[in-house]
Amino acid sequence: SQQGEEDPQALSIQEGENATMNCSYKTSINNLQWYRQNSGRGLVHLILIRSNEREKHSGRLRVTLDTSKKSSSLLITASRAADTASYFCATDVGGKLIFGQGTELSVKP
Amino acid sequence: NAGVTQTPKFRVLKTGQSMTLLCAQDMNHEYMYWYRQDPGMGLRLIHYSVGEGTTAKGEVPDGYNVSRLKKQNFLLGLESAAPSQTSVYFCASSPLSSTANYGYTFGSGTRLTVV
Repeated sequence: SQQGEEDPQALSIQEGENATMNCSYKTSINNLQWYRQNSGRGLVHLILIRSNEREKHSGRLRVTLDTSKKSSSLLITASRAADTASYFCATDVGGKLIFGQGTELSVKP
Repeated sequence: NAGVTQTPKFRVLKTGQSMTLLCAQDMNHEYMYWYRQDPGMGLRLIHYSVGEGTTAKGEVPDGYNVSRLKKQNFLLGLESAAPSQTSVYFCASSPLSSTANYGYTFGSGTRLTVV
């Protein structure tokens, strides 16, 4: 069974708008990571948030983590067409990353 | 810096044929992983290695074997390919365990079709 589930499965926005993706998970975690995958390419690590952190920023990315609700969100501010990609959350379970099914983000110019 | 390199990038196999996918990393990472990605299923862990000479099973290991004879290489073998193994295969590496708060570096993938 999937450890992480992203919501929504697909998101379409206009350039300049903010994009928010959510991730829910089932078991206790050491950290939660977000990755981006451009079409036909490998995954690229974006940001890692530890279980004792509540919020983390990296450039236009903002990640929150609520361990009581077992959920995380990724916010991309002022989106660009180049942000069009699939975004995956991954949780560390027993020293291995378990990935969700991803959110497909489309940013229209 | 090449990072993680996967070969081949594409391959078509007939049912019952065997093949080996090669993953090479030049970052001196201890940990290496093989995932498969299928539509609507996300990435699922096949096998992984925590160091040279070690291998362990992941979520979906059946039908696959692996070897890590050298630290920089992690091989994934299909002994008798089946159509259910049609997928995109990704290799990844990390310095240490993700529990130690390390992210993974991924290769660009191998698209395998079994007919």
